[in-house]
Amino acid sequence: VQLVESGGGVVQPGRSLRLSCAVSGFTFSHYAVAWVRQAPGKGLEWVAVMSFDESKEYYADSVKGRFIISRDESKNTLHLQMNSLRGGDTAVYYCVRAPPRFSLGNYFDFWGQGTLVTVSS
Amino acid sequence: EIVLTQSPGTLSLSPGDRATLSCRASQTVSHTNLAWYQQKPGQAPRLLLYATATRATGIPDRFSGSYSGADFTLAITRLEPEDFAVYYCQYSDASPGWTFGQGTKVEIK
Repeated sequence: VQLVESGGGVVQPGRSLRLSCAVSGFTFSHYAVAWVRQAPGKGLEWVAVMSFDESKEYYADSVKGRFIISRDESKNTLHLQMNSLRGGDTAVYYCVRAPPRFSLGNYFDFWGQGTLVTVSS
Repeated sequence: EIVLTQSPGTLSLSPGDRATLSCRASQTVSHTNLAWYQQKPGQAPRLLLYATATRATGIPDRFSGSYSGADFTLAITRLEPEDFAVYYCQYSDASPGWTFGQGTKVEIK
């Protein structure tokens, strides 16, 4: 199982950024997937989750209305569209798999290496 | 919203010691939805336990989990040098939401 994030970088406040996560080693359509972030020197914060069948998506209150999670089954890829970025969004963003299969996910068993997003003018 | 409070913030121990980490939920929760992670500096977190006490693939049996009501415990018997890290508990609820505790750092004394 592998999850590889890309798309991080430095972005000005108010601008947008799109993260991607290429997954392999498992049947993508069987699992919920999510984004979890970690601000520098801080703890972990769940950001967004999408169910295995794309029927449900949920967001943390801190990003609701600004971030959009999506998945491309044909390319085994997860995305996070981040709009109206703020300084508080500065963090390493991890792509994660959320078992058990065919559910919304209870925990996160495989993590990518993370991609750093820095929001700064 | 469920809040997870981990204690202590930092645990200073020596290799070979036993570590006991606590995670207290703000209300009664299902033990099937509680997980523990380990994170070392510069690395992504790693799943240790799910459903409170089930070890993830490849996790040695010196790691164990238990609970009593809203209190969850991660125990590490005989600390190895590679066990010094930060540990997080996490709960998934019906809101739905996936909440993490603030972490406990296990450092070398």
